[in-house]
Amino acid sequence: EVQVVESGGGLVQPGGSLRLSCAASGFTISTYWMNWVRQAPGKGLEWVANINHGGSQKNYVDFVKGRFTISGDNAKNSLFLQMNNLRADDTAIYYCARSSGYCSGGTCSNWFDSWGQGTLVTVSS
Amino acid sequence: AIHLTQSPSSLSASVGDRVTITCRASQGISSALAWYQQKPGIAPKLLIHDASNLESGVPSRFSGSGSGTDFTLTISSLQPEDFSTYYCQQFTSYPPTFGQGTKLEI
Repeated sequence: EVQVVESGGGLVQPGGSLRLSCAASGFTISTYWMNWVRQAPGKGLEWVANINHGGSQKNYVDFVKGRFTISGDNAKNSLFLQMNNLRADDTAIYYCARSSGYCSGGTCSNWFDSWGQGTLVTVSS
Repeated sequence: AIHLTQSPSSLSASVGDRVTITCRASQGISSALAWYQQKPGIAPKLLIHDASNLESGVPSRFSGSGSGTDFTLTISSLQPEDFSTYYCQQFTSYPPTFGQGTKLEI
């Protein structure tokens, strides 16, 4: 069974750091793009970052660039998100999500086919 | 970034009703659109990808259509477990984006 389980959330002060982890089972992260998606309390879904199979390509949404770093450990089949200089508006449930998709004729299509239960990050003094 | 606008933002319906949710993209995305269902306190669940491809295990009362900029999610006969929030999503270019959500209520 495909499963991803997040951990590492908690309460942190503004300007602080936190490292989220995502343990995958039932598949190997080295064969998929892996993502972090977040959801602020009562709000919609917001993609944060992703990393490719071998870890050589990483992409970030503008508002976390320079503050968040995504990484993977294929030996542990795990994904991480190092979050520095946290702000109050980073408060959210952070989901680890596997993406699948393809590119054809110059158009790419990708979707998030497996999600974890999420881990809550609260940034507050 | 490609902006997705869902309508309506909320919808009241009854068991057995046929409902349609629309998603409009700010620029053409071919058929590269997915739909998710989310219940309170639970992670989103993929329903449909590539605008009309039903994910394995998803009931056939769910269907999707559209291409370019206009898409629809249809539930042919609402069941009690379908009352949730639904999101559309594009990931044909960076950053991947989601619609603001449609809350389906009794």
